[in-house]
Amino acid sequence: DAKTTQPNSMESNEEEPVHLPCNHSTISGTDYIHWYRQLPSQGPEYVIHGLTSNVNNRMASLAIAEDRKSSTLILHRATLRDAAVYYCISGSARQLTFGSGTQLTVLP
Amino acid sequence: DAGVIQSPRHEVTEMGQEVTLRCKPISGHDYLFWYRQTMMRGLELLIYFNNNVPIDDSGMPEDRFSAKMPNASFSTLKIQPSEPRDSAVYFCASSSRQVRGTEAFFGQGTRLTVV
Repeated sequence: DAKTTQPNSMESNEEEPVHLPCNHSTISGTDYIHWYRQLPSQGPEYVIHGLTSNVNNRMASLAIAEDRKSSTLILHRATLRDAAVYYCISGSARQLTFGSGTQLTVLP
Repeated sequence: DAGVIQSPRHEVTEMGQEVTLRCKPISGHDYLFWYRQTMMRGLELLIYFNNNVPIDDSGMPEDRFSAKMPNASFSTLKIQPSEPRDSAVYFCASSSRQVRGTEAFFGQGTRLTVV
């Protein structure tokens, strides 16, 4: 699976949008971009995934750069319950390779 | 569905003892994954099964680790003998109709402490 690079940590204020960046410059043409998050003391939780086009679901939006070398996970209104480690993964869903992720802190 | 169910949630054992971790995937899912999470190494894929058959066990750290899936609704990860460095949280996950983008559902994990 292709390697991804994410900031170690980010902060956001409650009820404001959050943009979590991810670089995946070695992504191949058939690799999907997956985002998972892990809340404290829980297993990872699927957030969203995409291939080329931007994607929206009830949890978040995924903006994928035209060259697919980077993407941004967008939480439209951060809540305290969104505080978690967010993992960006590129590759096959059969072998999700988790990096160190971004620790998101949401400030009240 | 209750989701992926792992047992036990916590396990404390003495070095040298055998440890068995259990997982019940979501009904109908045909892929099952075992992960290990430590502070030092993060989340690591140990092994995954498709239709009860082990497909890739390259992440299994050594021969002390073994995993089985006797049927579609049950899998075990066994460590024999256990060592303190095996202390970690072990996660089981399952997914269905595996295409490259299908989401995986994770269990709550088993926290293993080997003393």
